[in-house]
Amino acid sequence: NAGVTQTPKFQVLKTGQSMTLQCAQDMNHNSMYWYRQDPGMGLRLIYYSASEGTTDKGEVPNGYNVSRLNKREFSLRLESAAPSQTSVYFCASTDRSYTEAFFGQGTRLTVV
Amino acid sequence: RKEVEQDPGPFNVPEGATVAFNCTYSNSASQSFFWYRQDCRKEPKLLMSVYSSGNEDGRFTAQLNRASQYISLLIRDSKLSDSATYLCVVTEYSSASKIIFGSGTRLSIRP
Repeated sequence: NAGVTQTPKFQVLKTGQSMTLQCAQDMNHNSMYWYRQDPGMGLRLIYYSASEGTTDKGEVPNGYNVSRLNKREFSLRLESAAPSQTSVYFCASTDRSYTEAFFGQGTRLTVV
Repeated sequence: RKEVEQDPGPFNVPEGATVAFNCTYSNSASQSFFWYRQDCRKEPKLLMSVYSSGNEDGRFTAQLNRASQYISLLIRDSKLSDSATYLCVVTEYSSASKIIFGSGTRLSIRP
């Protein structure tokens, strides 16, 4: 019963470094999402993907790129990390009925 | 204007109290509505869906008013374990659906 798996759980980067956050779901869901959550705030949508091969920008896409590798996997890349990208990142997925979004446990990223 | 707006709180109420949260959304094309619960440093989890007819799940009642673009959550007989952040969520269907979260309302139940 893995559900949505995110890796890594914690990461510290130096300004200017790059990294990729990985997300995989085993529920055969079509839609996948990346959110960031800053202290005391709600989740802000970075990018989403309605199906394999399609991606769309959300509310805060600047500084990020995504890749929907296949139906299971949706990765988020920071090309040149900035301190403003320090946040908790959540990946989520839903099926076609959108009755419930399932989340990974989050990646706590600090950029110094 | 944010797409989904909530009173951030915090709400600090005694055990056994009734507490109500409100949420407004800006896109009249929004089609599905939910309340999620998030515990500190954890991922959000679905609390309940929200329907125009209103729906109840134990001590929790959710209501949707499409005309006013307004969603509510009522918690009766609150328990210490209800302490969490409650997130209002709206789904917009188009060629690619979006799930939009409000900023959350923090609830703290005191003994």
